[in-house]
Amino acid sequence: RKEVEQDPGPFNVPEGATVAFNCTYSNSASQSFFWYRQDCRKEPKLLMSVYSSGNEDGRFTAQLNRASQYISLLIRDSKLSDSATYLCVVNAFSGAGSYQLTFGKGTKLSVIP
Amino acid sequence: NAGVTQTPKFQVLKTGQSMTLQCAQDMNHNSMYWYRQDPGMGLRLIYYSASEGTTDKGEVPNGYNVSRLNKREFSLRLESAAPSQTSVYFCASSEVQPGIGGYTFGSGTRLTVV
Repeated sequence: RKEVEQDPGPFNVPEGATVAFNCTYSNSASQSFFWYRQDCRKEPKLLMSVYSSGNEDGRFTAQLNRASQYISLLIRDSKLSDSATYLCVVNAFSGAGSYQLTFGKGTKLSVIP
Repeated sequence: NAGVTQTPKFQVLKTGQSMTLQCAQDMNHNSMYWYRQDPGMGLRLIYYSASEGTTDKGEVPNGYNVSRLNKREFSLRLESAAPSQTSVYFCASSEVQPGIGGYTFGSGTRLTVV
């Protein structure tokens, strides 16, 4: 079983639409969770952390369900500039004295005019 | 601007040539990482350095070596490049426990081995 799984998409949505991405993770000891955004041919950049109680940042809402080992990202009122690949990322203690992030392969979003 | 700086941005190598990818961060982070990203494969960890003076293998270390030169710098060396090492390489840094902040990535090195 892959450690972090995402639907690769692509999700093609019209401007103004609401779109949701889901992610599952296999390591029940995972402690921190993130969504990263990666534009074409660019480096990944932190979009938002995901907290147990759920959190919102403008048009973006992230949810965590530890029991089901499931993370979601909701984007409301999609903009053309939201077009990117969204990476689900999970942090767990590596056992070698450090924490490491495990990345999903990403979900591609295209927002269409 | 504070962040992670990678050099070079682009490189073409012939099979068997060697090269070193350089990475430096100015955020006083303890941990540094090298990833490669290939189409359909996502980001895969090559090596990491949890703190100055330590390095450990990641998921795909074969064909690579690393050096944590000091707290700021973490280099990745290809001793004898192979076409399978054609990829985009990202360096990243973080606190020992990348909690709220996660990782900060450099802009990447696009390497082609012919």
